[in-house]
Amino acid sequence: GAGVSQSPSNKVTEKGKDVELRCDPISGHTALYWYRQSLGQGLEFLIYFQGNSAPDKSGLPSDRFSAERTGGSVSTLTIQRTQQEDSAVYLCASSFDRSNNSPLHFGNGTRLTVT
Amino acid sequence: EDKVVQSPLSLVVHEGDTVTLNCSYEVTNFRSLLWYKQEKKAPTFLFMLTSSGIEKKSGRLSSILDKKELSSILNITATQTGDSAIYLCAVASMDSNYQLIWGAGTKLIIKP
Repeated sequence: GAGVSQSPSNKVTEKGKDVELRCDPISGHTALYWYRQSLGQGLEFLIYFQGNSAPDKSGLPSDRFSAERTGGSVSTLTIQRTQQEDSAVYLCASSFDRSNNSPLHFGNGTRLTVT
Repeated sequence: EDKVVQSPLSLVVHEGDTVTLNCSYEVTNFRSLLWYKQEKKAPTFLFMLTSSGIEKKSGRLSSILDKKELSSILNITATQTGDSAIYLCAVASMDSNYQLIWGAGTKLIIKP
């Protein structure tokens, strides 16, 4: 069965460029999360979507980061004017409902390297 | 501030050994504790422990929640090289219906 799909799997970009990361959640999952994972660190919450709305954007590190979700499905995370400290693995997860008792299903992530 | 601490940070054992990974938490209004296994990429769900389900078992893996000690252990018996991974612990609070507080993980390496 189809799981959470993320693209690209790897992205190398030059400092100052914009990047767009894509997440295609499991069909029917209403909740969608973006996390960032740096080497040796736990998961850092970025943003949560319930349907198309994002009730919590508190984890976005700066105004260079934005995300949207359309049609209650695909989500894109955009990082403008990338910096070297943005280098990390960006993980997307979805769950059946908004309850945090519903286990998250993760994608394979996008490894972003800013040179 | 809510926090989840996992120990040890890393562990190297030989195939066939039994390992115990620890997760302790300070989270207001505890709802549940979850264990995930992360091999190369996507974390995969292992167990969810709640007040009504403090012990879970699946094959060689088992987990227990100790609400008095605010901690959980994940046991793996007769370890295999395929058990090598980062094991992540996360805690949900009733204060939020979607937020999870994540530990930094335990990196487990099983040597043949």
